[in-house]
Amino acid sequence: DGGITQSPKYLFRKEGQNVTLSCEQNLNHDAMYWYRQDPGQGLRLIYYSQIVNDFQKGDIAEGYSVSREKKESFPLTVTSAQKNPTAFYLCASSTLRENTEAFFGQGTRLTVV
Amino acid sequence: GNSVTQMEGPVTLSEEAFLTINCTYTATGYPSLFWYVQYPGEGLQLLLKATKADDKGSNKGFEATYRKETTSFHLEKGSVQVSDSAVYFCALTDEETSGSRLTFGEGTQLTVNP
Repeated sequence: DGGITQSPKYLFRKEGQNVTLSCEQNLNHDAMYWYRQDPGQGLRLIYYSQIVNDFQKGDIAEGYSVSREKKESFPLTVTSAQKNPTAFYLCASSTLRENTEAFFGQGTRLTVV
Repeated sequence: GNSVTQMEGPVTLSEEAFLTINCTYTATGYPSLFWYVQYPGEGLQLLLKATKADDKGSNKGFEATYRKETTSFHLEKGSVQVSDSAVYFCALTDEETSGSRLTFGEGTQLTVNP
């Protein structure tokens, strides 16, 4: 089945550690996105990529890093510089057509302990 | 910049009641508008969309009409079911961005009681 796979579903991290969230898609989409979801705040864009080996900062990129070495994969690293990393992280992908919708993964819930 | 404002929640209804969730937006140009739904512990699923003024998106009994004059995209359903309980997000993409870089509203939690 085509879709987006995020792993792990739940992740616990100690303060001061970096952690990497995985996102893989087999929809042959050019564009991929990372969003952060906090209660009552909707979703906010962290990073996005429209082509391999290129990516752009979204609205809240500080404390995060990404890579896009393959079209299918767009991992997100939450670094120790992120002040409040506990959140639900959602990966999405889309074509580059105008007016197109995004397809979302099931999310990763990160908790800093 | 772009922004989306949704009615404050949570919303609690009885089964078969009429649902309206208000959504208004601010955008330069002519955005495309979307409603996404999120069930507990899951990612977002597209519910419906509209890409130009006066378009009506519809799916699973839900409807929303793109009103440029009032910059609104209100979600409606004539008779809700318990299975409609979820969080609903209004979102837009602007015409100057290829792909689907979305701006979201805050989300509205809907609970439908039997």
